[in-house]
Amino acid sequence: AQSVAQPEDQVKVAEGNPLTVKCTYSVSGNPYLFWYVQYPNRGLQFLLKYITGDNLVKGSYGFEAEFNKSQTSFHLKKPSALVSDSALYFCAVSRGGSYIPTFGRGTSLIVHP
Amino acid sequence: DAGVIQSPRHEVTEMGQEVTLRCKPISGHDYLFWYRQTMMRGLELLIYFNNNVPIDDSGMPEDRFSAKMPNASFSTLKIQPSEPRDSAVYFCASSRGQGSMSNEQFFGPGTRLTVL
Repeated sequence: AQSVAQPEDQVKVAEGNPLTVKCTYSVSGNPYLFWYVQYPNRGLQFLLKYITGDNLVKGSYGFEAEFNKSQTSFHLKKPSALVSDSALYFCAVSRGGSYIPTFGRGTSLIVHP
Repeated sequence: DAGVIQSPRHEVTEMGQEVTLRCKPISGHDYLFWYRQTMMRGLELLIYFNNNVPIDDSGMPEDRFSAKMPNASFSTLKIQPSEPRDSAVYFCASSRGQGSMSNEQFFGPGTRLTVL
């Protein structure tokens, strides 16, 4: 079985400050890890993924995520937050060979001016 | 490409009525997924298809729910009869599976269903 935990329902950060949205996972075998973003009244939108290789993955809109195998984590980061980054963020994991990801419950990111 | 297309975007119906949600996946994608999103339960996978064939419908909540994919460019999710607890946002997503198992999903804009 595979699972994802996003321990924070909400993260608040001031514009211009760095942000981190946390994700830990549990999966047997090599994980495929994803981050998606959901803006109000929209579907989920792919941000970035880790499949193999460099542990630091860069994605859309200046976001990046670091894969840490020993801590089974895949935290989403951005050096300088924008108000427009305010949205719901989902982490997802699938095991190597599976097309079917498991999504976390989502973390609401609020960036205030 | 126009992305994943869903219709209608909003549906308001009365308890007991039949509801049909529609989805057109991205051309060339061979996996199609139906999800339901609520505040209480978050994002739930209901069913997914591979090459138009239903693979896993274990997430379908009850026999009132059914899904079909008659061809590669069209899928429906039907609820009959609908109940107020079915109120949610329903998403369709598609992905390429051929040749790679690490592909991301592309989501449609969703259908917001309200059952009175």
